[in-house]
Amino acid sequence: DGGITQSPKYLFRKEGQNVTLSCEQNLNHDAMYWYRQDPGQGLRLIYYSQIVNDFQKGDIAEGYSVSREKKESFPLTVTSAQKNPTAFYLCASSPRLAGGTGELFFGEGSRLTVL
Amino acid sequence: AQKITQTQPGMFVQEKEAVTLDCTYDTSDQSYGLFWYKQPSSGEMIFLIYQGSYDEQNATEGRYSLNFQKARKSANLVISASQLGDSAMYFCAMREGTDSWGKFQFGAGTQVVVTP
Repeated sequence: DGGITQSPKYLFRKEGQNVTLSCEQNLNHDAMYWYRQDPGQGLRLIYYSQIVNDFQKGDIAEGYSVSREKKESFPLTVTSAQKNPTAFYLCASSPRLAGGTGELFFGEGSRLTVL
Repeated sequence: AQKITQTQPGMFVQEKEAVTLDCTYDTSDQSYGLFWYKQPSSGEMIFLIYQGSYDEQNATEGRYSLNFQKARKSANLVISASQLGDSAMYFCAMREGTDSWGKFQFGAGTQVVVTP
């Protein structure tokens, strides 16, 4: 089945450690996105990528890094520079369709807890 | 500046009743798309409905309809005949620009609880 796979679903990290969240899609979508969600809040854009080997900062990119070496993959690294990394992270993708809705398709999310 | 505003943090609705979730947006673009997503307690985001800025008719998808008032910059979601499974967080989102893909901005969400 086509979709977006995020792993791990739950992750615990000690302060000062970098962690990488995986996001893979087999929908053949051009664009991919990472969002952060804090309890009771909406989604905030961390990074997005519209094409392989290119990505742009979103609204809260500080302390995060990404890569887009393959169309299917868009991993997110939460670095030790991120002051408050405990959150729910959602990866999404969207197609580029002329005249289409281009809605976001989401993975099931990764919940990161810093101990 | 906040581009998407959802003023109702939470609401209770009785089963089989209709509920309206408010959403206002702010943009200077002429071309944009408005979306509603549902997030159950499990966390995944489920796409519900889309309205394009040039669409003259209000969008409908089954029990979901979007009350689009362009001049007021509002895009309220109406859920008819509520079911217990409708209990979830609901997010309004906007994508600006002429491309059919791009950055999305989300509101803070409205928590809906459907009671028997």
